[in-house]
Amino acid sequence: NAGVTQTPKFQVLKTGQSMTLQCAQDMNHNSMYWYRQDPGMGLRLIYYSASEGTTDKGEVPNGYNVSRLNKREFSLRLESAAPSQTSVYFCASSEPEAHRRANYGYTFGSGTRLTVV
Amino acid sequence: GDSVTQMEGPVTLSEEAFLTINCTYTATGYPSLFWYVQYPGEGLQLLLKATKADDKGSNKGFEATYRKETTSFHLEKGSVQVSDSAVYFCALSRTSGTYKYIFGTGTRLKVLA
Repeated sequence: NAGVTQTPKFQVLKTGQSMTLQCAQDMNHNSMYWYRQDPGMGLRLIYYSASEGTTDKGEVPNGYNVSRLNKREFSLRLESAAPSQTSVYFCASSEPEAHRRANYGYTFGSGTRLTVV
Repeated sequence: GDSVTQMEGPVTLSEEAFLTINCTYTATGYPSLFWYVQYPGEGLQLLLKATKADDKGSNKGFEATYRKETTSFHLEKGSVQVSDSAVYFCALSRTSGTYKYIFGTGTRLKVLA
């Protein structure tokens, strides 16, 4: 059981460079999420996809774009990286129907540590 | 809007000490409440949950009770181990809509042998 897989695990970018963070889940979950984790700030939602074909902004969407490529994959793109985007990025997935029944919670990937210099 | 407030860390304890990590929330209605744990270099894992008032969630010796009258969900463990050293996040979610979570800022726990 792979769960949620994120790539890459580490990345260093120069200011202005672009990159895409990849996320894939094998649990047939409908919903997927991208969070960033910063010291003293906890986890903040960047974008989410409630189901295949839909995406919506979260709390801190500026400077990011997302693509829900299919039910398994949800990518996060930084078009022009800035030092303020230095963070640890987590992808998560969940099954809304299970939420209604029993609140199973999210399944998280192991994160991508991004440094923008 | 909804919010979660956790006690600031780090919390440093000796092995076998009693642990309490405070969590309070602000939300309308009846959210579900969760504790997640993050071990070094890993993603978050669900530790325990409670879906209605007076529910007690428990797992791996940790417990938390959903107290609607005090809007709290404090995490407790009677005897911590070095292996419990991690960051603990309190969170809430709603059982309708898009099921987005609101996370607290996290509390780092360090347990010394």
